[in-house]
Amino acid sequence: DAGVIQSPRHEVTEMGQEVTLRCKPISGHDYLFWYRQTMMRGLELLIYFNNNVPIDDSGMPEDRFSAKMPNASFSTLKIQPSEPRDSAVYFCASSLRGPISGANVLTFGAGSRLTVL
Amino acid sequence: KNQVEQSPQSLIILEGKNCTLQCNYTVSPFSNLRWYKQDTGRGPVSLTIMTFSENTKSNGRYTATLDADTKQSSLHITASQLSDSASYICVAVYGNNRLAFGKGNQVVVIP
Repeated sequence: DAGVIQSPRHEVTEMGQEVTLRCKPISGHDYLFWYRQTMMRGLELLIYFNNNVPIDDSGMPEDRFSAKMPNASFSTLKIQPSEPRDSAVYFCASSLRGPISGANVLTFGAGSRLTVL
Repeated sequence: KNQVEQSPQSLIILEGKNCTLQCNYTVSPFSNLRWYKQDTGRGPVSLTIMTFSENTKSNGRYTATLDADTKQSSLHITASQLSDSASYICVAVYGNNRLAFGKGNQVVVIP
């Protein structure tokens, strides 16, 4: 398996532009998570899906952020309009079961580094 | 507040030496404790997962311990190698699939 695949790896855009980040989870994994990582705050959960259904979106900063999972093999995180404070590395992760299942490994993608000028 | 604190924030060690990283967590209800290794420019990679009933778990030269009573965990790196240079992130899983992340221990191994 190729693991969790994210695109683009790097994105530089101007304030006000729309940004779409993409994620392909590991085949057969029922859980998909979007995280954001900054130097100041570390890793933060934005939203997670179970069987394509959003379960917890309490970490989504505001209405400018939206996430979808139209099928089991694809998810998007969209920021519209983007702002400089959105600059961060965005990680997608997937797992077979939820993290409370002790032996269940959460596998991360390589991340998408977003810079908003 | 559900949170994880890690110490030291960063450390430099000589190749071949051992080191121990500390993690204190305050989450409820606790489920399990994980350590991840994150190389620069990469995503975190799982090293160990421990439930409250497990005291220690090893993965090669990495050994994690867990004291669920004091809510402390440690990650011991034995005979460090240059490839161990990375950030080590402690994660406490709690509630309904919630994860509390530490900000990481930045380890630099020098020859």
